[in-house]
Amino acid sequence: GAGVSQSPSNKVTEKGKDVELRCDPISGHTALYWYRQSLGQGLEFLIYFQGNSAPDKSGLPSDRFSAERTGGSVSTLTIQRTQQEDSAVYLCASSPEFSSGRDGYTFGSGTRLTVV
Amino acid sequence: QKEVEQNSGPLSVPEGAIASLNCTYSDRGSQSFFWYRQYSGKSPELIMSIYSNGDKEDGRFTAQLNKASQYVSLLIRDSQPSDSATYLCAVTTLKAGYQLIWGAGTKLIIKP
Repeated sequence: GAGVSQSPSNKVTEKGKDVELRCDPISGHTALYWYRQSLGQGLEFLIYFQGNSAPDKSGLPSDRFSAERTGGSVSTLTIQRTQQEDSAVYLCASSPEFSSGRDGYTFGSGTRLTVV
Repeated sequence: QKEVEQNSGPLSVPEGAIASLNCTYSDRGSQSFFWYRQYSGKSPELIMSIYSNGDKEDGRFTAQLNKASQYVSLLIRDSQPSDSATYLCAVTTLKAGYQLIWGAGTKLIIKP
Protein backbone atom coordinates (compact mmCIF):
# COMPACT_ATOMS: atom_id res chain seq x y z
CA GLY A 1 0.00 0.00 0.00
CA ALA A 2 0.93 3.67 -0.19
CA GLY A 3 1.48 3.99 3.54
CA VAL A 4 1.41 2.06 6.78
CA SER A 5 -2.18 1.22 7.59
CA GLN A 6 -3.40 0.56 11.12
CA SER A 7 -6.80 -0.54 12.30
CA PRO A 8 -8.89 0.22 14.15
CA SER A 9 -8.05 3.90 14.59
CA ASN A 10 -9.83 3.94 17.93
CA LYS A 11 -10.73 1.11 20.29
CA VAL A 12 -12.61 1.33 23.57
CA THR A 13 -12.67 -1.89 25.54
CA GLU A 14 -13.66 -3.04 28.97
CA LYS A 15 -11.03 -4.01 31.49
CA GLY A 16 -10.27 -7.71 31.23
CA LYS A 17 -11.20 -8.07 27.55
CA ASP A 18 -8.74 -9.06 24.83
CA VAL A 19 -7.99 -6.73 21.92
CA GLU A 20 -6.28 -7.15 18.56
CA LEU A 21 -4.59 -4.32 16.75
CA ARG A 22 -3.63 -4.65 13.10
CA CYS A 23 -0.81 -3.18 11.05
CA ASP A 24 -0.34 -3.44 7.29
CA PRO A 25 3.14 -2.14 6.38
CA ILE A 26 4.27 -0.49 3.18
CA SER A 27 4.54 -3.09 0.44
CA GLY A 28 8.08 -4.45 0.25
CA HIS A 29 9.14 -3.20 3.67
CA THR A 30 10.79 -6.07 5.46
CA ALA A 31 11.08 -4.54 8.92
CA LEU A 32 8.04 -3.82 11.11
CA TYR A 33 7.98 -2.21 14.54
CA TRP A 34 5.37 -1.70 17.25
CA TYR A 35 5.59 1.18 19.70
CA ARG A 36 3.36 2.44 22.48
CA GLN A 37 2.95 6.10 23.36
CA SER A 38 1.13 7.19 26.49
CA LEU A 39 -0.26 10.72 26.68
CA GLY A 40 2.53 13.27 26.74
CA GLN A 41 5.23 10.59 26.77
CA GLY A 42 7.88 9.38 24.36
CA LEU A 43 7.90 6.28 22.20
CA GLU A 44 8.10 2.97 24.06
CA PHE A 45 9.48 0.14 21.92
CA LEU A 46 7.45 -3.07 22.07
CA ILE A 47 8.55 -5.50 19.36
CA TYR A 48 10.08 -5.67 15.90
CA PHE A 49 10.01 -8.14 13.04
CA GLN A 50 12.62 -8.46 10.31
CA GLY A 51 11.87 -10.79 7.44
CA ASN A 52 11.82 -14.40 8.57
CA SER A 53 14.08 -13.84 11.58
CA ALA A 54 12.84 -14.41 15.12
CA PRO A 55 11.18 -11.23 16.40
CA ASP A 56 12.80 -9.06 19.05
CA LYS A 57 10.22 -9.15 21.85
CA SER A 58 12.41 -7.43 24.41
CA GLY A 59 10.09 -4.43 24.80
CA LEU A 60 6.86 -6.29 25.53
CA PRO A 61 5.81 -5.14 29.02
CA SER A 62 4.16 -8.37 30.15
CA ASP A 63 3.11 -11.80 28.94
CA ARG A 64 -0.34 -10.36 28.24
CA PHE A 65 1.17 -8.79 25.12
CA SER A 66 1.98 -10.81 22.03
CA ALA A 67 2.41 -10.13 18.34
CA GLU A 68 2.68 -12.07 15.13
CA ARG A 69 3.46 -11.27 11.56
CA THR A 70 1.96 -13.48 8.90
CA GLY A 71 3.63 -13.99 5.54
CA GLY A 72 6.15 -11.28 6.25
CA SER A 73 3.50 -8.60 5.83
CA VAL A 74 0.51 -7.90 8.09
CA SER A 75 1.11 -7.88 11.84
CA THR A 76 -1.30 -8.25 14.73
CA LEU A 77 -0.61 -7.05 18.27
CA THR A 78 -2.76 -8.82 20.85
CA ILE A 79 -3.31 -7.63 24.39
CA GLN A 80 -5.01 -10.13 26.66
CA ARG A 81 -6.95 -9.25 29.80
CA THR A 82 -6.55 -5.53 29.19
CA GLN A 83 -5.80 -3.22 32.10
CA GLN A 84 -6.35 0.52 32.42
CA GLU A 85 -2.60 1.13 32.22
CA ASP A 86 -2.68 -0.34 28.71
CA SER A 87 -4.53 2.76 27.53
CA ALA A 88 -2.25 4.48 25.02
CA VAL A 89 -1.69 5.04 21.33
CA TYR A 90 -0.17 2.00 19.66
CA LEU A 91 1.99 2.92 16.69
CA CYS A 92 3.25 0.64 13.96
CA ALA A 93 6.16 1.55 11.70
CA SER A 94 7.94 -0.12 8.82
CA SER A 95 11.21 0.33 6.98
CA PRO A 96 12.53 -1.10 3.72
CA GLU A 97 15.63 -2.74 5.10
CA PHE A 98 16.73 -3.33 8.62
CA SER A 99 20.45 -3.75 8.18
CA SER A 100 21.38 -0.47 6.51
CA GLY A 101 19.93 1.84 9.14
CA ARG A 102 19.71 4.69 6.63
CA ASP A 103 16.07 4.60 5.72
CA GLY A 104 14.32 5.66 8.87
CA TYR A 105 10.84 4.44 9.71
CA THR A 106 7.44 5.30 8.28
CA PHE A 107 4.69 5.33 10.89
CA GLY A 108 1.04 4.48 10.61
CA SER A 109 -1.58 6.78 12.08
CA GLY A 110 -1.86 4.64 15.20
CA THR A 111 -4.58 2.95 17.23
CA ARG A 112 -5.84 4.82 20.26
CA LEU A 113 -6.74 2.23 22.87
CA THR A 114 -8.89 3.18 25.83
CA VAL A 115 -9.54 0.63 28.57
CA VAL A 116 -12.53 1.49 30.75
CA GLN B 1 23.00 8.54 30.92
CA LYS B 2 20.29 8.17 28.29
CA GLU B 3 21.47 7.04 24.90
CA VAL B 4 19.77 9.95 23.13
CA GLU B 5 19.03 13.13 25.07
CA GLN B 6 16.90 16.10 24.22
CA ASN B 7 15.68 19.01 26.26
CA SER B 8 11.97 18.37 26.80
CA GLY B 9 11.10 22.06 26.54
CA PRO B 10 8.80 23.66 25.81
CA LEU B 11 10.97 25.85 23.63
CA SER B 12 9.16 29.06 22.78
CA VAL B 13 10.26 30.97 19.68
CA PRO B 14 8.68 34.06 18.10
CA GLU B 15 7.26 33.71 14.61
CA GLY B 16 9.86 34.46 11.96
CA ALA B 17 12.84 33.66 14.20
CA ILE B 18 15.20 30.69 14.01
CA ALA B 19 14.29 27.71 16.17
CA SER B 20 17.27 25.62 17.29
CA LEU B 21 16.71 22.10 18.56
CA ASN B 22 19.54 20.02 19.98
CA CYS B 23 20.17 16.35 20.57
CA THR B 24 23.15 14.53 22.08
CA TYR B 25 23.91 10.84 21.86
CA SER B 26 26.18 8.58 23.85
CA ASP B 27 27.32 5.91 21.37
CA ARG B 28 30.26 7.07 19.24
CA GLY B 29 29.37 4.27 16.83
CA SER B 30 26.10 5.99 15.89
CA GLN B 31 25.84 6.18 12.14
CA SER B 32 22.53 7.63 10.95
CA PHE B 33 20.60 10.50 12.48
CA PHE B 34 16.99 11.50 12.02
CA TRP B 35 14.63 14.25 13.00
CA TYR B 36 10.92 13.49 13.22
CA ARG B 37 8.10 15.94 13.77
CA GLN B 38 5.03 14.90 15.75
CA TYR B 39 1.97 17.09 15.89
CA SER B 40 -0.30 16.65 18.89
CA GLY B 41 -2.51 13.61 18.38
CA LYS B 42 -0.64 12.53 15.24
CA SER B 43 2.10 10.03 14.50
CA PRO B 44 5.77 10.98 13.93
CA GLU B 45 6.82 11.94 10.42
CA LEU B 46 10.37 12.01 9.12
CA ILE B 47 11.56 15.50 8.18
CA MET B 48 15.36 15.24 8.00
CA SER B 49 18.09 12.61 7.93
CA ILE B 50 21.85 13.16 8.08
CA TYR B 51 24.76 10.75 7.93
CA SER B 52 27.94 12.83 7.60
CA ASN B 53 29.48 15.64 9.59
CA GLY B 54 28.36 19.09 8.56
CA ASP B 55 25.12 20.70 7.47
CA LYS B 56 22.26 19.42 5.36
CA GLU B 57 19.64 21.87 4.19
CA ASP B 58 16.10 21.20 2.99
CA GLY B 59 13.95 24.27 2.56
CA ARG B 60 13.62 26.04 5.91
CA PHE B 61 15.19 23.09 7.76
CA THR B 62 18.91 22.53 8.36
CA ALA B 63 20.29 19.50 10.15
CA GLN B 64 23.77 19.79 11.63
CA LEU B 65 25.90 16.85 12.72
CA ASN B 66 29.08 16.93 14.79
CA LYS B 67 30.26 13.39 15.47
CA ALA B 68 33.31 14.50 17.48
CA SER B 69 31.05 16.29 19.96
CA GLN B 70 28.27 13.73 19.57
CA TYR B 71 25.45 16.11 18.86
CA VAL B 72 22.98 16.70 16.12
CA SER B 73 20.82 19.77 15.79
CA LEU B 74 17.88 20.97 13.75
CA LEU B 75 17.48 24.59 12.75
CA ILE B 76 14.15 25.90 11.52
CA ARG B 77 14.40 29.27 9.77
CA ASP B 78 11.51 31.72 9.49
CA SER B 79 9.55 29.75 12.09
CA GLN B 80 5.82 29.53 11.50
CA PRO B 81 3.01 28.69 13.96
CA SER B 82 2.52 25.50 11.92
CA ASP B 83 5.99 24.39 13.06
CA SER B 84 4.66 24.05 16.62
CA ALA B 85 5.07 20.36 17.41
CA THR B 86 7.25 17.91 19.28
CA TYR B 87 10.52 17.14 17.51
CA LEU B 88 12.03 13.71 18.05
CA CYS B 89 15.68 12.91 17.50
CA ALA B 90 16.60 9.31 16.61
CA VAL B 91 19.91 7.61 15.87
CA THR B 92 20.99 4.19 14.63
CA THR B 93 23.95 2.29 15.98
CA LEU B 94 25.58 -0.99 15.12
CA LYS B 95 25.28 -1.90 18.80
CA ALA B 96 21.51 -1.68 18.54
CA GLY B 97 21.48 -3.58 15.29
CA TYR B 98 20.60 -0.39 13.43
CA GLN B 99 17.29 0.00 15.25
CA LEU B 100 16.35 3.60 15.87
CA ILE B 101 17.13 4.80 19.39
CA TRP B 102 14.77 7.65 20.25
CA GLY B 103 15.08 10.79 22.29
CA ALA B 104 12.08 11.84 24.36
CA GLY B 105 11.42 14.85 22.14
CA THR B 106 11.45 18.63 22.44
CA LYS B 107 8.16 20.51 22.39
CA LEU B 108 8.44 23.60 20.19
CA ILE B 109 5.96 26.46 20.40
CA ILE B 110 6.04 29.21 17.77
CA LYS B 111 4.35 32.34 19.10
CA PRO B 112 2.61 34.58 16.53
